[in-house]
Amino acid sequence: QKEVEQNSGPLSVPEGAIASLNCTYSDRGSQSFFWYRQYSGKSPELIMFIYSNGDKEDGRFTAQLNKASQYVSLLIRDSQPSDSATYLCAVNKGGYSTLTFGKGTMLLVSP
Amino acid sequence: GAGVSQTPSNKVTEKGKYVELRCDPISGHTALYWYRQSLGQGPEFLIYFQGTGAADDSGLPNDRFFAVRPEGSVSTLKIQRTERGDSAVYLCASSPGHGGQLETQYFGPGTRLLVL
Repeated sequence: QKEVEQNSGPLSVPEGAIASLNCTYSDRGSQSFFWYRQYSGKSPELIMFIYSNGDKEDGRFTAQLNKASQYVSLLIRDSQPSDSATYLCAVNKGGYSTLTFGKGTMLLVSP
Repeated sequence: GAGVSQTPSNKVTEKGKYVELRCDPISGHTALYWYRQSLGQGPEFLIYFQGTGAADDSGLPNDRFFAVRPEGSVSTLKIQRTERGDSAVYLCASSPGHGGQLETQYFGPGTRLLVL
């Protein structure tokens, strides 16, 4: 089992819809969870992070964490074509440790 | 302020050659990370510096890879006797280094290495 798993997609949604991106992780010692967006040919850009169970909202983005199920998700409301990118889930054991990334989910938002 | 910068942006080399990739972190960030990203994959950890010392180099694939950060700021990733399998985007990230759950990493634009 890989440490961080994501469906590679592509996930296709129409403009204005809600996009739901999912991620599971294997290490119960993971403490912090990050979502990065990566446009083709560009470097990862931090969207948001979460470390407590429940939901965390930031504008059109909502991160959800369920540590018991080892599951983290990212919801994008009112999806826009400019949201089309690969979304990377990353986990961190806390402190100075490094990030372990999933392969990423490609999101395509059609006008 | 300026973000993480990396040079060169692209590097083409021949198999067996030596290459150096440079990373200049965000000013004031004491933690610096190197990752490697192959096509269709997420970034893969290589090495992490806290200050001048390598706090974790467990991701370096073999002894052809080495990294330094002599003054605790700029870092250089060095690859000896390059192989075609080393072709990837090499990403550098930095974080404040304060520790804790809120330690977020900010990535540079990457260096695209192609080994012919």
